[in-house]
Amino acid sequence: AQKITQTQPGMFVQEKEAVTLDCTYDTSDPSYGLFWYKQPSSGEMIFLIYQGSYDQQNATEGRYSLNFQKARKSANLVISASQLGDSAMYFCAMREDYGQNFVFGPGTRLSVLP
Amino acid sequence: SAVISQKPSRDICQRGTSLTIQCQVDSQVTMMFWYRQQPGQSLTLIATANQGSEATYESGFVIDKFPISRPNLTFSTLTVSNMSPEDSSIYLCSVDRFFGPGTRLTVL
Repeated sequence: AQKITQTQPGMFVQEKEAVTLDCTYDTSDPSYGLFWYKQPSSGEMIFLIYQGSYDQQNATEGRYSLNFQKARKSANLVISASQLGDSAMYFCAMREDYGQNFVFGPGTRLSVLP
Repeated sequence: SAVISQKPSRDICQRGTSLTIQCQVDSQVTMMFWYRQQPGQSLTLIATANQGSEATYESGFVIDKFPISRPNLTFSTLTVSNMSPEDSSIYLCSVDRFFGPGTRLTVL
């Protein structure tokens, strides 16, 4: 069965510094995708970044990068140059087959300090 | 990327009533998903809605409580029936990797 673990309930980071949010996953399917979402207090789920299990390079999207270590089954999100607007809940999610549903981790609340 | 809209964005309802949430996508899609996020929790899948067939419900969710319609390839509705305070949640529809803005429901 799929499972996502995020061991950091809350994180603090100083503005303009980088922060890493941890995510480990468990699956027996060799083909899967890993996703990160940001959820501000408004409640919307904002898609940030995607990593496919067969992708050779780590995904990057602007200030977001995904540190994908397949053997360790980890997919950590790195946010560079943190901004006050980055304060939100962050969810790691996995999907085993295209079109199937996501399994979400419990989330990490990130607070960016001025 | 898909643009997804939901109505209403929020509502406050009385116990025992029902609320229907609408989800509109700007392109035709085969599968739409409905999720629930209870306060302080992560997202949980309620059901998968395929056009032209009955929705597929996850364990713990039943059609009588959460009836779903999928009349065409761009639209779906989720009804929360006979509501209780425990139904107070954010309800989100999803297509591929994108989510609608959510419906924040409070049941008194």
